Amino acid sequence: SQQGEEDPQALSIQEGENATMNCSYKTSINNLQWYRQNSGRGLVHLILIRSNEREKHSGRLRVTLDTSKKSSSLLITASRAADTASYFCATDQTSGAGSYQLTFGKGTKLSVIP
Amino acid sequence: KAGVTQTPRYLIKTRGQQVTLSCSPISGHRSVSWYQQTPGQGLQFLFEYFSETQRNKGNFPGRFSGRQFSNSRSEMNVSTLELGDSALYLCASSITGTHRTQYFGPGTRLTVL
Repeated sequence: SQQGEEDPQALSIQEGENATMNCSYKTSINNLQWYRQNSGRGLVHLILIRSNEREKHSGRLRVTLDTSKKSSSLLITASRAADTASYFCATDQTSGAGSYQLTFGKGTKLSVIP
Repeated sequence: KAGVTQTPRYLIKTRGQQVTLSCSPISGHRSVSWYQQTPGQGLQFLFEYFSETQRNKGNFPGRFSGRQFSNSRSEMNVSTLELGDSALYLCASSITGTHRTQYFGPGTRLTVL
């Protein structure tokens, strides 16, 4: 089952604009991560934010986390055509065996128009 | 370091056949996870292996199985293929089970006719 739900499902912006994607999840989390996927390829890890953190930055990326609302947002500033991709949030659940699995949302498809 | 590699990249099979997909993790990574990605269901966790032991399994039928070798390389097998098994199968590795960041391979695109 899907833990995270991204919003919007699709987003189209002009190069240079900022892009904001939101993610909501259902259960308590240890961490929340954002991944990027270029069309039909593997996922690339972007950033991880721990449940006790509220905001994190990495280059042009800014992630916020609100555990009281069970939501997170990913902001990409000064977007570029190369940012065109699908973006997924993922939460991790730990099993009793010390393992964990990532549970992904359905993703936001971002198109950056040159 | 070389990234996660998956072979083959593309595969076409017919219903009823079986298929084996291979994944080589990043050197030094001992945990390997498998995910299925379809347009309808999105990304779904299949299973995770660590030190040759399956530690976690997603909600998939027994037709989906896997194993991990002593060098951390992993294979997954799908028997009696169904049309609905057509998907992108992604393998991801991490250093240990406690490191949350996973590094994904390019995936194997399986088409079942």
